[in-house]
Amino acid sequence: NAGVTQTPKFRVLKTGQSMTLLCAQDMNHEYMYWYRQDPGMGLRLIHYSVGEGTTAKGEVPDGYNVSRLKKQNFLLGLESAAPSQTSVYFCASSWKAYGYTFGSGTRLTVV
Amino acid sequence: KNEVEQSPQNLTAQEGEFITINCSYSVGISALHWLQQHPGGGIVSLFMLSSGKKKHGRLIATINIQEKHSSLHITASHPRDSAVYICAVREGGGADGLTFGKGTHLIIQP
Repeated sequence: NAGVTQTPKFRVLKTGQSMTLLCAQDMNHEYMYWYRQDPGMGLRLIHYSVGEGTTAKGEVPDGYNVSRLKKQNFLLGLESAAPSQTSVYFCASSWKAYGYTFGSGTRLTVV
Repeated sequence: KNEVEQSPQNLTAQEGEFITINCSYSVGISALHWLQQHPGGGIVSLFMLSSGKKKHGRLIATINIQEKHSSLHITASHPRDSAVYICAVREGGGADGLTFGKGTHLIIQP
């Protein structure tokens, strides 16, 4: 099925551990995004990419790194996880910032 | 930065009722999106609007660019419509994503 696939769906990390969230899309979209969703707040943009090999910072980039080595994949890394990074993470892709397709989310808990 | 406000924050209604969710924003936009999120689930795009009105099944979305306001209507509501409805806006033609409202939590009781 065409769409955006996020892995893993759930993860529990200890403070200081690192991990990588993977987002894969098969729609040949140029633009890809990582958002975080926290209770009582709207989704906030962490990083985004407008094409293979390019990345840019969003509203809340601190503590995260990203890479887009292949057009279909957008990776979000946490080098040293903190409890403040406990959140639900959503990846999205779009064709030229028009229609957006979202992944099913990754629920991350940092203890 | 665009401020996106939704109302109401929470809404409980009986099956069959006509539902209206409102969204207002502070800065001119190029497009407005309505999204649906079921509990514990992913986010699904319902509509993208830049003017006028769109209809899909029992859902209707309208936008008034001059008033900086959009509404999402659900006719003949059903318990399966229970979800969080999120308004999001895009400014200009840039690639730097959407600005989201906090969402409206809708519960339709049988």
